[in-house]
Amino acid sequence: EADIYQTPRYLVIGTGKKITLECSQTMGHDKMYWYQQDPGMELHLIHYSYGVNSTEKGDLSSESTVSRIRTEHFPLTLESARPSHTSQYLCASSVSALPGNTIYFGEGSWLTVV
Amino acid sequence: SQKIEQNSEALNIQEGKTATLTCNYTNYSPAYLQWYRQDPGRGPVFLLLIRENEKEKRKERLKVTFDTTLKQSLFHITASQPADSATYLCALDISGTGANNLFFGTGTRLTVIP
Repeated sequence: EADIYQTPRYLVIGTGKKITLECSQTMGHDKMYWYQQDPGMELHLIHYSYGVNSTEKGDLSSESTVSRIRTEHFPLTLESARPSHTSQYLCASSVSALPGNTIYFGEGSWLTVV
Repeated sequence: SQKIEQNSEALNIQEGKTATLTCNYTNYSPAYLQWYRQDPGRGPVFLLLIRENEKEKRKERLKVTFDTTLKQSLFHITASQPADSATYLCALDISGTGANNLFFGTGTRLTVIP
């Protein structure tokens, strides 16, 4: 079982509000990621980080931002939530040295913007 | 364009039979191919990884094959059980060096009928 935690699990928020989805891992993994997944659809990488002070945008354009000030912590922020941001957000981590870059996922954060 | 296709959105199978899931890809030359299991409302969980130079990989009741000529991977669950019911995702790692090169299929939802 992977030790990667996301909060909140479920969030309903009004349009225009600022939100931060928290993600922490206790495995000492250097790489961390945020994926977005709509129901029945594939996962899309929106942000990733190779380590502290490293952040990169993924394949899917996102209005969210991320930061990596500590190895274990990779929060995702939406400055002004919109209904189009309604989705499941999955945080993940991995170790650089593992072959094939196996990824360990958190349980996900379900965001609904009304 | 790059594409990963998994056979049928849903697959129903009788308990005890072998379930076979297919992952086809185009326009990729993956270094690794991975299979994940995802339960409703949860994050994906890593199952198996197979390298481009491997034909077959086994783990307990699971077997994965990888045919780089056909650009196809088959995922088998033998002696299937109702607890195997979940969505199974294939993921292609183009270079094995970072999640920015990991692409997921939409998944096949497997239901094992008692």
